[in-house]
Amino acid sequence: AQSVTQLGSHVSVSEGALVLLRCNYSSSVPPYLFWYVQYPNQGLQLLLKYTSAATLVKGINGFEAEFKKSETSFHLTKPSAHMSDAAEYFCAVSESGTSYGKLTFGQGTILTVHP
Amino acid sequence: GAVVSQHPSWVICKSGTSVKIECRSLDFQATTMFWYRQFPKQSLMLMATSNEGSKATYEQGVEKDKFLINHASLTLSTLTVTSAHPEDSSFYICSARWGFEQFFGPGTRLTVL
Repeated sequence: AQSVTQLGSHVSVSEGALVLLRCNYSSSVPPYLFWYVQYPNQGLQLLLKYTSAATLVKGINGFEAEFKKSETSFHLTKPSAHMSDAAEYFCAVSESGTSYGKLTFGQGTILTVHP
Repeated sequence: GAVVSQHPSWVICKSGTSVKIECRSLDFQATTMFWYRQFPKQSLMLMATSNEGSKATYEQGVEKDKFLINHASLTLSTLTVTSAHPEDSSFYICSARWGFEQFFGPGTRLTVL
């Protein structure tokens, strides 16, 4: 079975600072990995996904993530935080090895951005 | 882009009543839909996978007689919480598969009094 661990349930940064949200996974098959953002009382929006192509994946809103197989990690970064980035972020792995199968989510990381 | 809607967006009901939540793919046909549950300040947990025209596949620990899922058409799946109790209060989110992508609805907040 696959699992996802997000290190840090809360991350706080200043506006303009680097954002780093950590995600580690375990999977018995080559994983498909995802980062989603959730704003209060809303559904999930896909930020980016890794599907075994390029290891550095660029997503929307200036976010990117790097797949590191040796570290079983898929950390999310953004060079300069914006106030609108404040939200909850979920890392997920696809159990079926596809981008449309069942997803296993991490615990979530709440990002706070201070002015 | 592909849009998934849920109705209602929030609902309050009395203990013992049943509540139906709809998940619709607005501009595409979805052969597969997923239902997730999210407790406050927690992650999403998959409840069941719904395939059009067939019985839903429930995850371990999810009561299929309590959470009835129907996927009668390629654009609509429904989740009915039967005889709801306060512990069923949660945020329910659906997602729909379209091609090689999965798109999420905005969620339905259920509060059982």
